[in-house]
Amino acid sequence: SQTIHQWPATLVQPVGSPLSLECTVEGTSNPNLYWYRQAAGRGLQLLFYSVGIGQISSEVPQNLSASRPQDRQFILSSKKLLLSDSGFYLCAWSVGAGGTRNIQYFGAGTRLSVL
Amino acid sequence: DAKTTQPNSMESNEEEPVHLPCNHSTISGTDYIHWYRQLPSQGPEYVIHGLTSNVNNRMASLAIAEDRKSSTLILHRATLRDAAVYYCILISSGSARQLTFGSGTQLTVLP
Repeated sequence: SQTIHQWPATLVQPVGSPLSLECTVEGTSNPNLYWYRQAAGRGLQLLFYSVGIGQISSEVPQNLSASRPQDRQFILSSKKLLLSDSGFYLCAWSVGAGGTRNIQYFGAGTRLSVL
Repeated sequence: DAKTTQPNSMESNEEEPVHLPCNHSTISGTDYIHWYRQLPSQGPEYVIHGLTSNVNNRMASLAIAEDRKSSTLILHRATLRDAAVYYCILISSGSARQLTFGSGTQLTVLP
């Protein structure tokens, strides 16, 4: 069965510090991968998505970046965090496109507080 | 991108049916209608999806209007564990990029 791992669960970082959040998927090959952010009391905002290794598309201009060094690994990074980067970060995966169901499966999330 | 509109909140009594509406008037022919729910401090969970026909699974039913401009998620007997934010989402079959989350409906289940 497929599983998604996302860590850490919570993170408190000072303004200006770097960030690295990691997400890995098990039990599937060539998944589509996604990073979302959810501000307190708000809906989900798609940040990045990837359809393959090294293929990253950004949905929102910001000081965050994403990388996909391996098929089932997706990393969210920042060189210098801003206060506005605080939020609940979610990784998700899906398989296929073009007529398939494209159901997304989400990780447990990382709650980031930038102080 | 096609967008969805949902009521901000709804209430239901335990053991009663709940009908959660979603409007998606600009839906395209390749968009699937997906519903997810999110419990506090957890990632969203897939509930159900459909294209044109009504769908049933162990969690819920999905009723899709004939013109596909609206849909309704039906929980047949609400339980306290169903209290969550419910998101209606359009996902294009043609691309992984076509992802638009609505504002979601906060469902409160009263004992």
